[in-house]
Amino acid sequence: NAGVTQTPKFQVLKTGQSMTLQCAQDMNHEYMSWYRQDPGMGLRLIHYSVGAGITDQGEVPNGYNVSRSTTEDFPLRLLSAAPSQTSVYFCASSYSLGLENEQFFGPGTRLTVL
Amino acid sequence: EDQVTQSPEALRLQEGESSSLNCSYTVSGLRGLFWYRQDPGKGPEFLFTLYSAGEEKEKERLKATLTKKESFLHITAPKPEDSATYLCAVQAVRGSQGNLIFGKGTKLSVKP
Repeated sequence: NAGVTQTPKFQVLKTGQSMTLQCAQDMNHEYMSWYRQDPGMGLRLIHYSVGAGITDQGEVPNGYNVSRSTTEDFPLRLLSAAPSQTSVYFCASSYSLGLENEQFFGPGTRLTVL
Repeated sequence: EDQVTQSPEALRLQEGESSSLNCSYTVSGLRGLFWYRQDPGKGPEFLFTLYSAGEEKEKERLKATLTKKESFLHITAPKPEDSATYLCAVQAVRGSQGNLIFGKGTKLSVKP
């Protein structure tokens, strides 16, 4: 299994540009989520999904959109990038919502918005 | 408000010098407390889940313990390869299932 994969690994955008961060998992996990990690702050939840066709907002959802059309994929879209969205983005997945909730994280996408 | 605080922010140890990392939490009903390890440029890697006060789990040189207000990650005789940032997270009973609240992490450096 490849686990959780994310593309691209690095990206530089100009203010106002749009892009999609890709996330895929091959473990048949129902639960997927997106976090951002900023210096001096903990990982913060952006959006999450409990299954195909179901998404919901996390702690910091503004400026981001998600969709979940398949179990495997959970892309994160930035519609109009802002410098405040400069961060490292991590996608995570887990098998279920049960107490044994080991989340597997991807390698991250480092995004810079100029 | 649910909150996780980790201390110290950074810790430097000599190889073989045992120590502990602290994770204190305020949460309205704890479903679980998680420890992750994060190496530079990589995603967090799962270490332990603790569910109730008094519980302990071990993995190689690491031992995690849990009380009603905090968790400790004890590192016994650390080696340079234990150098990483250690993250603590909690899952609350209230709120969306599965969602984790993370602390800012403790950056551990072990010198040979």
